[in-house]
Amino acid sequence: AQSVAQPEDQVNVAEGNPLTVKCTYSVSGNPYLFWYVQYPNRGLQFLLKYITGDNLVKGSYGFEAEFNKSQTSFHLKKPSALVSDSALYFCAVRDNSGNTPLVFGKGTRLSVIA
Amino acid sequence: EAGVAQSPRYKIIEKRQSVAFWCNPISGHATLYWYQQILGQGPKLLIQFQNNGVVDDSQLPKDRFSAERLKGVDSTLKIQPAKLEDSAVYLCASSLGGPGNQPQHFGDGTRLSIL
Repeated sequence: AQSVAQPEDQVNVAEGNPLTVKCTYSVSGNPYLFWYVQYPNRGLQFLLKYITGDNLVKGSYGFEAEFNKSQTSFHLKKPSALVSDSALYFCAVRDNSGNTPLVFGKGTRLSVIA
Repeated sequence: EAGVAQSPRYKIIEKRQSVAFWCNPISGHATLYWYQQILGQGPKLLIQFQNNGVVDDSQLPKDRFSAERLKGVDSTLKIQPAKLEDSAVYLCASSLGGPGNQPQHFGDGTRLSIL
């Protein structure tokens, strides 16, 4: 069965500092991996995805994520955090057969402090 | 382009009552999803449609939940009768059809409170 682990409920970072939000996954085959962000009382917004190819994926709002197959990880990163990045972040995975649902982690709340 | 539209935004009902949610996906998106997001958790898929056919409803509590997408465009999710544990945000999402690597686009959800 597919699963996603986001080991941190909360990440605090000072504005201007780099941020990392961690994600590890488990799938039976090769993964499709996604990051989404959720602001209060809003739906999830797509940030980036890994399908195949280059392990470093660049996405919206300056975010990027690094796929590491040996560690089964897909950590979200940003070189310089903004206060407006404060939100709830979800990692999600499905296997590349396309026959399984997208499975989300429980989310990590990012707080960027001015 | 217009995003995924959901209504109502908020709904409060008593247990054992019925409720319905409506979703209009992004134009041209063949795949439509309904998710349940309980406070403090990630979204959980309830049902997936491809056009007007059900692709996956394995996690839909079929004794009380039903969903339809009769014309392959908008969709309705119904709960009857509601239980206290159904209190959650119900999210609708849509995506282009294809091999499953397309991002899903979410509506703002319906927050359901059961008294």
